[in-house]
Amino acid sequence: EAGVAQSPRYKIIEKRQSVAFWCNPISGHATLYWYQQILGQGPKLLIQFQNNGVVDDSQLPKDRFSAERLKGVDSTLKIQPAKLEDSAVYLCASSSVRGSAGNTIYFGEGSWLTVV
Amino acid sequence: AQSVAQPEDQVNVAEGNPLTVKCTYSVSGNPYLFWYVQYPNRGLQFLLKYITGDNLVKGSYGFEAEFNKSQTSFHLKKPSALVSDSALYFCAVRGPLPYGGATNKLIFGTGTLLAVQP
Repeated sequence: EAGVAQSPRYKIIEKRQSVAFWCNPISGHATLYWYQQILGQGPKLLIQFQNNGVVDDSQLPKDRFSAERLKGVDSTLKIQPAKLEDSAVYLCASSSVRGSAGNTIYFGEGSWLTVV
Repeated sequence: AQSVAQPEDQVNVAEGNPLTVKCTYSVSGNPYLFWYVQYPNRGLQFLLKYITGDNLVKGSYGFEAEFNKSQTSFHLKKPSALVSDSALYFCAVRGPLPYGGATNKLIFGTGTLLAVQP
């Protein structure tokens, strides 16, 4: 079974530029998550989708971050304009059913962003 | 509010010795507890989880974890460490689904770096 796919793996941009990350979840997984992991910290949830609807985006900095999952499968996370503090790993993850809190969340390899 | 603490930034152990990586949590209601491992420049890999039932949970690569409700702990253990176990380990907790369709986030600790010396 293929895992969560993410691209690009690495990106270096200048501050105030824009960047977009793409994610394709595990086949059949209705729930998709974007996490931000800053060096030395644990991952923090940015946004959670259930199919193509947003379930939780309370920690998404909406003035510069946006995400969409138009067809309920793959998703894009965009940052515009980027700030130095956005340097982090952006992890996409998916799980099979929202209704069970015990369901395992599976992560992709991450997209590593450096803002200079 | 739910939270998880990993009190040790780093754990050092000699190869072949038992290892323990500590985790304590705070959540309203019954917890769902997870351990993930992160190798350098990689994403998070699922190791094991506790939902209900037996307090001792067995997972991947010979790891196990013991749920202790009275101490609100979920320590990760392995009887004999390998150099290849050296990585960053994250404990995570999720509370039961609240009413009204609200979400319950998976909350991660800050991670513990496990260094296994040959």
